[in-house]
Amino acid sequence: DVKVTQSSRYLVKRTGEKVFLECVQDMDHENMFWYRQDPGLGLRLIYFSYDVKMKEKGDIPEGYSVSREKKERFSLILESASTNQTSMYLCASSYRDGYTFGSGTRLTVV
Amino acid sequence: AQRVTQPEKLLSVFKGAPVELKCNYSYSGSPELFWYVQYSRQRLQLLLRHISRESIKGFTADLNKGETSFHLKKPFAQEEDSAMYYCALSGHNFNKFYFGSGTKLNVKP
Repeated sequence: DVKVTQSSRYLVKRTGEKVFLECVQDMDHENMFWYRQDPGLGLRLIYFSYDVKMKEKGDIPEGYSVSREKKERFSLILESASTNQTSMYLCASSYRDGYTFGSGTRLTVV
Repeated sequence: AQRVTQPEKLLSVFKGAPVELKCNYSYSGSPELFWYVQYSRQRLQLLLRHISRESIKGFTADLNKGETSFHLKKPFAQEEDSAMYYCALSGHNFNKFYFGSGTKLNVKP
């Protein structure tokens, strides 16, 4: 019954590493999103995509990039991980009835 | 500018008491409003949306355009309602959602 899958539940990376967070959806949704979730700050949009090879910056894109080579897959890339990127990362896809979220990836940068 | 405000970070009530989680918004147009819930160790999931005017798990929310509010209410809270609640809005195309900062509801026995 899982419809949005994030490949890792927990990740620990070192400062300066390049980090890839993967997200796959099986609902044929065109819209996909990456958020980070931090206590007291709620969900903040990093990047989103309305179609294959298309991407748009959200509210906090600095330090991140994305890739959408196939409709079902939306990857978040941390070019050079820093400790302030330690967070819970949520992927979502959407259609008219709202978002479907993945279970999240808790990333710790040490 | 689009904005969703949830003024309470934490709300604690006793089992059986009424509960109201506040949500105010600003949006240049007619928004679609939603409540999402995240139970401990579970993924964020849709609780209800104003266009369906439904009641889920005893929760209701009424869109008040005059006060630009979409407060979530339940007359008798249960312990299993303890969770993190997020108010969200989108435009009619549902392409992009804006979330509030969330309210943690703690229902005490």
